[in-house]
Amino acid sequence: DAKTTQPPSMDCAEGRAANLPCNHSTISGNEYVYWYRQIHSQGPQYIIHGLKNNETNEMASLIITEDRKSSTLILPHATLRDTAVYYCIVRGNSGGSNYKLTFGKGTLLTVNP
Amino acid sequence: GAVVSQHPSRVICKSGTSVKIECRSLDFQATTMFWYRQFPKQSLMLMATSNEGSKATYEQGVEKDKFLINHASLTLSTLTVTSAHPEDSSFYICSAQAGSNSGANVLTFGAGSRLTVL
Repeated sequence: DAKTTQPPSMDCAEGRAANLPCNHSTISGNEYVYWYRQIHSQGPQYIIHGLKNNETNEMASLIITEDRKSSTLILPHATLRDTAVYYCIVRGNSGGSNYKLTFGKGTLLTVNP
Repeated sequence: GAVVSQHPSRVICKSGTSVKIECRSLDFQATTMFWYRQFPKQSLMLMATSNEGSKATYEQGVEKDKFLINHASLTLSTLTVTSAHPEDSSFYICSAQAGSNSGANVLTFGAGSRLTVL
């Protein structure tokens, strides 16, 4: 699976949009981009994923560049409860044990009042 | 949505004893589950892939005789830390995949089990 690069930390004001970048320049054509977050002392929580097109759900939006070498997770109106470590993960789709996710260090997003 | 339950959420044990952690998929079947370990201020590290009806696959550096994995049914995988020592104290997290055999499906994680070995 391709490697990802994320800033170690970011700050965001409550109520403002949080834009979390991720570089995955070695992504291959059949690899998806997944975003998870981990609130302190909890298991990771799925946020969103995409292949080529931009995606939006009730939690966030995912913007993937046309060359797919980078993406941005957008939390449109960050709240204090969004403070967490956000992981950007690239994964193939060949099934079975290849469904495993390899976690990097992620980005610690701190939402400030 | 898919739910993965882990039990116990916290366990404290004496050095030398064994501890079993259960991971259940509550509303779906999972032929494959994954076990991760997370030390303080570090990221999740994959320990092993648990396969229903067959032997688990361990990541490099993970002792299979120390971390016993049993995936006896499509909804239950167990991790047993044998002869636990203080250095085994960690946050253990399992995950499973719901849905059809498609690359777009996501892994659902349990809430984790915090092991403290005295």
